[in-house]
Amino acid sequence: EIVLTQSPGTLSLSPGERATLSCRASQSVSSSYLAWYQQKPGQAPRLLIYGASSRATGIPDRFSGSGSGTDFTLTISRLEPEDFAVYYCQQYGSFITFGQGTRLEIK
Amino acid sequence: QVQLQQWGAGLLKPSETLSLTCAVYGGSFSGYYWSWIRQPPGKGLEWIGEINHSGSTNYNPSLKSRVTISVDTSKNQFSLKVSSVTAADTAVYYCAGRLSSIAARQLGIRFDPWGQGTLVTVSS
Repeated sequence: EIVLTQSPGTLSLSPGERATLSCRASQSVSSSYLAWYQQKPGQAPRLLIYGASSRATGIPDRFSGSGSGTDFTLTISRLEPEDFAVYYCQQYGSFITFGQGTRLEIK
Repeated sequence: QVQLQQWGAGLLKPSETLSLTCAVYGGSFSGYYWSWIRQPPGKGLEWIGEINHSGSTNYNPSLKSRVTISVDTSKNQFSLKVSSVTAADTAVYYCAGRLSSIAARQLGIRFDPWGQGTLVTVSS
């Protein structure tokens, strides 16, 4: 099983600031198999990034993904009020696993 | 645009069988792998398993002994059964799809769309 560890657990920032979220895998993950999701309270997760760096349809360009091997990053260049949510990374290996999430909260 | 609508019993007693169904609208049913994913209250996401239109399945090893995912292509629906539930199975359960083509796999495996979620509570 590939374990995904996200850091930090909680990130406190202000609107307009830059957010950098990390996802580290216990084994190497193909970039094609790494995705990021945003989840707001009471809602299903929303796909943001797939293939480590491709934005999903309709996702603003302030969201970007990067990384390879065991280290992946989600960056939000300038935080908007609607970006404060929980973010999950997900990989597809022998079976699918998710990270434990990073909560992005307003400072 | 593919949309998912899910339903099922929301309150179960320990040892009963959880049963949920997800209907697929507006797209190619055969072009996806269809998954179930759950989220205990206040916790993260756990993938349960998936099925394609021909009935080929993959399961999370930690749940495999209690889980059955099935498909009804005549109705564009797929279903989840979890046997012998306990309080630890209390969660919001989501259905979701990922494109199954080789080209889509090369671009990146991802879940889109998602169902609206169903809260299942196990309590005596």
